[in-house]
Amino acid sequence: SQTIHQWPATLVQPVGSPLSLECTVEGTSNPNLYWYRQAAGRGLQLLFYSVGIGQISSEVPQNLSASRPQDRQFILSSKKLLLSDSGFYLCAWRWDGKLFFGSGTQLSVL
Amino acid sequence: AQKVTQAQTEISVVEKEDVTLDCVYETRDTTYYLFWYKQPPSGELVFLIRRNSFDEQNEISGRYSWNFQKSTSSFNFTITASQVVDSAVYFCALSGSSGGSYIPTFGRGTSLIVHP
Repeated sequence: SQTIHQWPATLVQPVGSPLSLECTVEGTSNPNLYWYRQAAGRGLQLLFYSVGIGQISSEVPQNLSASRPQDRQFILSSKKLLLSDSGFYLCAWRWDGKLFFGSGTQLSVL
Repeated sequence: AQKVTQAQTEISVVEKEDVTLDCVYETRDTTYYLFWYKQPPSGELVFLIRRNSFDEQNEISGRYSWNFQKSTSSFNFTITASQVVDSAVYFCALSGSSGGSYIPTFGRGTSLIVHP
C-alpha cells in the first residue's frame, strides 16, 4: 500500500538559518506531489507542486524553494528563514484524484 | 479562479447533537470535484469524501452525510449524534479542471468542538 513520510515532526529554527524538510512516498511511482503551509488558525496554502522529477511549479512567490531530486522525494528548502515562515507544513501526494497527506512538520522560526 | 468559503470559523456543540458544516464554492469549470477533509489535533489531514460535479446524489456514511446542491454551489457536511472524537478542524476543498491541473483549493476550515 502507499504511504507518505514526512520529517521532522517539529522544528525550531532561528531567523536567518537554512531549512530542509523532506517528504517521501512509498508504494507508487511518478506521483504528483504537493507542499502546503497552514499558518496558525488559517487554511491551507499551496506552496509548490511537482508532476515529475525536476519539475516544480511555484504558486506563491516567497522565501522558499522546492526540489524533486528523485521520483518519490520532494524537498522544501530555504536559505534564510524569516519569522513569517513559521507554520505547519504538509506534504501530499495525489492518487485517484484525491490528496493524501503526510503527518506534517510544525516549524517555529524564532 | 476557484474559491471555497467556509463561513463558520468555529462551532461548539454538546455530544449527541447534530451539526452541519457549511461549504460554498465558486468555479467556472463545468467539471470539478469537491472534498471534505478532517484534521484532528494530531495535525494530519484525513480524506473523508470526494464528489464530482456530475453526481448530485447525497451520500451517507455512518453518522456522516453530505448534501451537494449545484443550484446553490454548496456541499454541506452533517454529523449526526456528534461524539467527542469528532472534534477537529474540517476542510472543504474544490478541484477544478482549469489548466488540466486539478489542484485543490481549500477553504479556511471550520473548527468543531464537541463537549461531553
